Amino acid sequence: AQKVTQAQTEISVVEKEDVTLDCVYETRDTTYYLFWYKQPPSGELVFLIRRNSFDEQNEISGRYSWNFQKSTSSFNFTITASQVVDSAVYFCALGLPDGGATNKLIFGTGTLLAVQP
Amino acid sequence: DTEVTQTPKHLVMGMTNKKSLKCEQHMGHRAMYWYKQKAKKPPELMFVYSYEKLSINESVPSRFSPECPNSSLLNLHLHALQPEDSALYLCASSQENNEQFFGPGTRLTVL
Repeated sequence: AQKVTQAQTEISVVEKEDVTLDCVYETRDTTYYLFWYKQPPSGELVFLIRRNSFDEQNEISGRYSWNFQKSTSSFNFTITASQVVDSAVYFCALGLPDGGATNKLIFGTGTLLAVQP
Repeated sequence: DTEVTQTPKHLVMGMTNKKSLKCEQHMGHRAMYWYKQKAKKPPELMFVYSYEKLSINESVPSRFSPECPNSSLLNLHLHALQPEDSALYLCASSQENNEQFFGPGTRLTVL
């Protein structure tokens, strides 16, 4: 079965706190991609990061960091020193190549992050 | 230019109307997607076009009809919709197996 689980439905933090959003995926494919997207109240999905299944290197981009662990099938996302502008729904997604030029995305149910001033 | 545009932003239609949603990208991407998103749910894939050919139809009812006139444009023709079809419709594009870039969406209300 192909599945993405985001167990945290809602998280509320106070500004400047660090917060980690969890993502666990399931797939039997050996080649796959993992993504994080942000969806602010305006509705547009904003791409944050892509990882392929062969690259377990962690990544840091400013206040954002991602931890990919194949052994636990997890791809967690940490925001350091959160800000009010980080308030949004965050989706983790599993991308499965369809043999052509496209990825079929399977989204998790999303985590609503509320950062209070 | 990493932008995907969608028109209109909002659409209200009756169940007997025919309308179309439009999506455009100028990033040279050869894959384009339609998603449907209900409130507080993740996006659900509807259709995928690869090199202007329909490659995936996720068993979408025939009242939704996609069209890809050229590599930059993607349309979704709507006819005889039901109130439960009210949702945010998102278009996306990608290059090969890379990340998908999403447009701002069209909020559709069916009366």
